[in-house]
Amino acid sequence: DTEVTQTPKHLVMGMTNKKSLKCEQHMGHRAMYWYKQKAKKPPELMFVYSYEKLSINESVPSRFSPECPNSSLLNLHLHALQPEDSALYLCASSQENNEQFFGPGTRLTVL
Amino acid sequence: AQKVTQAQTEISVVEKEDVTLDCVYETRDTTYYLFWYKQPPSGELVFLIRRNSFDEQNEISGRYSWNFQKSTSSFNFTITASQVVDSAVYFCALGLPDGGATNKLIFGTGTLLAVQP
Repeated sequence: DTEVTQTPKHLVMGMTNKKSLKCEQHMGHRAMYWYKQKAKKPPELMFVYSYEKLSINESVPSRFSPECPNSSLLNLHLHALQPEDSALYLCASSQENNEQFFGPGTRLTVL
Repeated sequence: AQKVTQAQTEISVVEKEDVTLDCVYETRDTTYYLFWYKQPPSGELVFLIRRNSFDEQNEISGRYSWNFQKSTSSFNFTITASQVVDSAVYFCALGLPDGGATNKLIFGTGTLLAVQP
């Protein structure tokens, strides 16, 4: 099973809402990542978890809050987002320094 | 500076033509990884290949081939006999080990390949 799943596929939220994005993998990978991708741009790294500990935070605003409840799950909690936060949010996982496998993404629209 | 340059923003070819996507990288690290990913309109990034900095052997996988040359810091990708299904954005990425179990990926800006029937 080389699949990373993400829910929901699409999300529309207001600036005062609180929502969460979910990511799951069952490949036994111990590294998980969140990326943000704006239209016609490459993915930008947001957070990295290694062995369930946050190892990289790329100076992401605190309205984005990651959580890694266990080695298979990764969440991204969203609160008080801005319209410019609308983007495709991609989750990925990897084993050691090997290739990252990406999920299908969540298309987020902030109104 | 760590950087990946994909100078070709868009390429359009007719089916069955061969096409080469260029990738030039910059890093002072001696240990690094190079990747190619495909992103079709659906949005999911699909892994194509990984190369480490110590392995300059070229690789062929079906219609895909990759040419890694450290002397020119290039990692080019060739699709032979292109097909409409190859239409996508292709990203080259530089992976830098962070000392732990993870690679920090630096992506190029991507090349949009359109294969016309």
